[in-house]
Amino acid sequence: GAGVSQSPRYKVAKRGQDVALRCDPISGHVSLFWYQQALGQGPEFLTYFQNEAQLDKSGLPSDRFFAERPEGSVSTLKIQRTQQEDSAVYLCASSLRDRGPYNEQFFGPGTRLTVL
Amino acid sequence: AQKITQTQPGMFVQEKEAVTLDCTYDTSDQSYGLFWYKQPSSGEMIFLIYQGSYDEQNATEGRYSLNFQKARKSTNLVISASQLGDSAMYFCAMREGIYNYGQNFVFGPGTRLSVLP
Repeated sequence: GAGVSQSPRYKVAKRGQDVALRCDPISGHVSLFWYQQALGQGPEFLTYFQNEAQLDKSGLPSDRFFAERPEGSVSTLKIQRTQQEDSAVYLCASSLRDRGPYNEQFFGPGTRLTVL
Repeated sequence: AQKITQTQPGMFVQEKEAVTLDCTYDTSDQSYGLFWYKQPSSGEMIFLIYQGSYDEQNATEGRYSLNFQKARKSTNLVISASQLGDSAMYFCAMREGIYNYGQNFVFGPGTRLSVLP
């Protein structure tokens, strides 16, 4: 496909379970971002990859959150021991370059995580 | 302090009329980019329009245009000839230090636009 894809689209987890969210960016895009969007709010930055290197993880809310992009394409966001406050939509975005003007981010459809 | 402020939680507009969605931002960078995204109820974020801090002219893309006032740090989105399909959440976002590596977006809280038939 031509766009960013994410799977699963919906995930229900019991509190304490581990979850893994997948992102397939647009082919050839250098930069990959993860955002968390709570209901009725704007997305908030979690982490950033330049190819396979995780250059910024300042937005990860706790050490239960872990992200990887081992081959510089597909990325996985893992949440360990999920808590109810982790319930949100997790958005993945990619951009062609890693800096410069314009350079909009293309977003995937998101994964809606509900922790019971 | 909020980096992006959108003071209108909700807006209504009659179909075929124009509407302006407000956005102000806070940055000390000289090189930054401002983006508007639309998020329908289906959830995907759709890029609409971009304004660079060094751009001298207001950006336009079809029915979308920006009223960029750099000194006031505002970049209001104008949608002309509103259509029912324009009903959605609209987010203003900023990317600071655009010539630096990996600068993420900072999003505002959004404005929910409802177009009335």
